[in-house]
Amino acid sequence: EAAVTQSPRNKVAVTGGKVTLSCNQTNNHNNMYWYRQDTGHGLRLIHYSYGAGSTEKGDIPDGYKASRPSQENFSLILELATPSQTSVYFCASGDAGGRYAEQFFGPGTRLTVL
Amino acid sequence: AQSVTQPDARVTVSEGASLQLRCKYSYSATPYLFWYVQYPRQGLQLLLKYYSGDPVVQGVNSFEAEFSKSNSSFHLQKASVHWSDSAVYFCALSAVNSAGNKLTFGIGTRVLVRP
Repeated sequence: EAAVTQSPRNKVAVTGGKVTLSCNQTNNHNNMYWYRQDTGHGLRLIHYSYGAGSTEKGDIPDGYKASRPSQENFSLILELATPSQTSVYFCASGDAGGRYAEQFFGPGTRLTVL
Repeated sequence: AQSVTQPDARVTVSEGASLQLRCKYSYSATPYLFWYVQYPRQGLQLLLKYYSGDPVVQGVNSFEAEFSKSNSSFHLQKASVHWSDSAVYFCALSAVNSAGNKLTFGIGTRVLVRP
């Protein structure tokens, strides 16, 4: 069954450490997205990608990098984690073009930065 | 720029009662509109979507939503809720021809269904 998976599901990191969140999709979608979810803000877009090798800045990219090495995989990288990056992170995939704007979400990664 | 407003952060209803969740959007044209549901400790799941045509769209689990261009709204409704409908509901918008089909989300409405 087509799906979006994320790893790890839970992560505790220390301030200043490097964190990599991974996402894999079997939907064969061109577009992939990283969001964070915080109370009072809903989901906010961090980075997205049109396909392998591409990354684009979303609405809140500061402090985050992204990598799309293949169609299936999209990573979010926190080079120097800070407590303000404690959040739940969601990856999503979607097809390109018009009426296919629907996105399919992974189960989320809960990140705590101490 | 587009935006989505969900004015009710929390809604409590009794099992068997009707439910309406409000969503207002701001966009210069007719957008693509979505309602997603998030159950505890899970990702978002699509309930329904509107692209064009009939302003009343049917979704999964007996949910429906009505698009109103004049009111810039896309309210979600269910005639009779079950305890399992307790979740967080998000309204989202995608601008037509948006680069990357990016979604703009509201802050969500947490629904608690009392037995």
